[in-house]
Amino acid sequence: DAGITQSPRHKVTETGTPVTLRCHQTENHRYMYWYRQDPGHGLRLIHYSYGVKDTDKGEVSDGYSVSRSKTEDFLLTLESATSSQTSVYFCAISATQGAYNEQFFGPGTRLTVL
Amino acid sequence: KNQVEQSPQSLIILEGKNCTLQCNYTVSPFSNLRWYKQDTGRGPVSLTIMTFSENTKSNGRYTATLDADTKQSSLHITASQLSDSASYICVVSPMGDGNKLVFGAGTILRVKS
Repeated sequence: DAGITQSPRHKVTETGTPVTLRCHQTENHRYMYWYRQDPGHGLRLIHYSYGVKDTDKGEVSDGYSVSRSKTEDFLLTLESATSSQTSVYFCAISATQGAYNEQFFGPGTRLTVL
Repeated sequence: KNQVEQSPQSLIILEGKNCTLQCNYTVSPFSNLRWYKQDTGRGPVSLTIMTFSENTKSNGRYTATLDADTKQSSLHITASQLSDSASYICVVSPMGDGNKLVFGAGTILRVKS
């Protein structure tokens, strides 16, 4: 998993509660990403970061915020979780592999909002 | 809108048989096209990556082809094994915006003994 860990791996929460998911990498990569994966959909980009304190929105950023205070950690926060945010969340990093910038994914966090 | 569509949605084959998965995309211009394998409960893992100027790329029993004129790609799996059971995802990287990959929904392959 290219030195990427996600925590927690599973979480069940209630509607309206705040939730923070953590992505941790050990190889000092500059670019980090948060995706969500839902049945019948491809992975969709929520937010990404191109350095400490540098972030940008993805396709489905509404209801989510991110923070990156250290190179190794990228946090995804649901300020007030809704049932529509029940999903599997993947973190990824971008690393140069030969002539390409390849994305490597973490193991995922399964989030259920009741 | 940039889209990637894959077919079939799911496929069951017998161990040892070959199969081909299809990917059609509208992303234009694009810089590269990737195929990922995703085992159940795990993150996607890269199989192949091709630039717009490449026609084919192999990785062991996996061979990807690309026709940029028709905006189609295929992934051919030879002599399938039980461990090939997974979701296979086609991904296109838009030119000049490589952080915003466009993912297909995947083809779920089941290999039976």
